[in-house]
Amino acid sequence: AQRVTQPEKLLSVFKGAPVELKCNYSYSGSPELFWYVQYSRQRLQLLLRHISRESIKGFTADLNKGETSFHLKKPFAQEEDSAMYYCALGFPSGSARQLTFGSGTQLTVLP
Amino acid sequence: NAGVTQTPKFRVLKTGQSMTLLCAQDMNHEYMYWYRQDPGMGLRLIHYSVGEGTTAKGEVPDGYNVSRLKKQNFLLGLESAAPSQTSVYFCASRKPGGYEQYFGPGTRLTVT
Repeated sequence: AQRVTQPEKLLSVFKGAPVELKCNYSYSGSPELFWYVQYSRQRLQLLLRHISRESIKGFTADLNKGETSFHLKKPFAQEEDSAMYYCALGFPSGSARQLTFGSGTQLTVLP
Repeated sequence: NAGVTQTPKFRVLKTGQSMTLLCAQDMNHEYMYWYRQDPGMGLRLIHYSVGEGTTAKGEVPDGYNVSRLKKQNFLLGLESAAPSQTSVYFCASRKPGGYEQYFGPGTRLTVT
C-alpha cells in the first residue's frame, strides 16, 4: 500500500532563512509526487509537481527515488509562505488516479 | 467561473441525523472526489467518481454514500451521523488526463 509521511507537524523559521519541509513516501510503482498548499482562509491548491521540475514561488522539490523522498525547499523564506503544506502521492486506481496525502506541515515564517 | 463550490459551509448535526453535502463544479471535469480532513491525519479519500452515474469507494467509505446523477454535481450523504464523522469535508475535481485536483472551500461538520 502507498503511504506518505511528513515527520514535522509544525515548522517555524525566520524570514530570510532557508526552509525545508520533509516528505517521504512508500510505493511499489512509479511515483507521481505533488506538493499542495493551503494558505489561511484559502482553498487547497497545487504548488508543484515533481515531473515539471520547475520552481514555483521560489520553492523547488526533487524526487529522490533512492531515499524515497520529495522534500520541499526554499532558500529564503518569506512571511507570505506561512501556510499548511501537504505532500501527496498520485497512483492509478481503476480508471482514475487517486492521491494519498501526508498529514501536513504547518509552516510559520517569523518576521 | 466559480470552480468547485460546496454547500453548506458549516453544519451541526445530532447523532443519528442525516444530511447531504453538495459539491458542484463548472469546469466540466469528469473526475470528482470527496475527502475528509482530520487534525494530524491529512486528507483521506472517502469516495470518488470517474463520470456521471459512476462512483467508487476510497480509503474511508464506511458511513457515507455518494451519488453522481449529473456530471457537475457530486453528493455526499450521511445516513446516520456519528460523532466520529465530525470533520472538515473537501470536494475536488479533475479533468481526464490532467494531474491537478481542484478543491472546494470545504464544509465543517460537527456531530454532537
